[in-house]
Amino acid sequence: DSGVTQTPKHLITATGQRVTLRCSPRSGDLSVYWYQQSLDQGLQFLIQYYNGEERAKGNILERFSAQQFPDLHSELNLSSLELGDSALYFCASSVAAGRYETQYFGPGTRLLVL
Amino acid sequence: AQTVTQSQPEMSVQEAETVTLSCTYDTSESNYYLFWYKQPPSRQMILVIRQEAYKQQNATENRFSVNFQKAAKSFSLKISDSQLGDTAMYFCASLTGTASKLTFGTGTRLQVTL
Repeated sequence: DSGVTQTPKHLITATGQRVTLRCSPRSGDLSVYWYQQSLDQGLQFLIQYYNGEERAKGNILERFSAQQFPDLHSELNLSSLELGDSALYFCASSVAAGRYETQYFGPGTRLLVL
Repeated sequence: AQTVTQSQPEMSVQEAETVTLSCTYDTSESNYYLFWYKQPPSRQMILVIRQEAYKQQNATENRFSVNFQKAAKSFSLKISDSQLGDTAMYFCASLTGTASKLTFGTGTRLQVTL
């Protein structure tokens, strides 16, 4: 158990809908990262937050957004969902936002868009 | 851009034997970190081992060790005394100074058999 929690574990929804994925980092970690794992794209970095502020952005679609709250939990919002958004979404956390921080992953949220 | 290549999509090893998974990477950075993550059937991403590029000594964690060849940009994982619980997908990843994101390879599926 990495200490990173994600809810829900599974999510089934329809195209065009909006969902929110939640992540709580390990105790003491200030930085949160979101990754998407899909069959065709592999594991891809989406976005990073550090202590409430956006720090780095990857291949995140405009339909997706994220935020980190004062209690350091983070939410990833996915809207206007398409079939291709079906994937496993991971949250990871690290102590700080330094360049070489080891990232510990949560169990993931499996999203299925029908 | 950083790239990580895992050229072995699948491998098989018998219980108690040793297996080596290959990984090559490309980066223009002078300092970086390299990781191996394990993803068992539960889909959890578990950190196996970490190597700092500035360290000449190869990292070791119990039955897991790496062969880090900086000039060749090679980072292989050796699993000794393989156990059934080692059955998983193994991902090689790099972390560089220009971005906080992990760049993953496509993974190697390892099957440990009796």
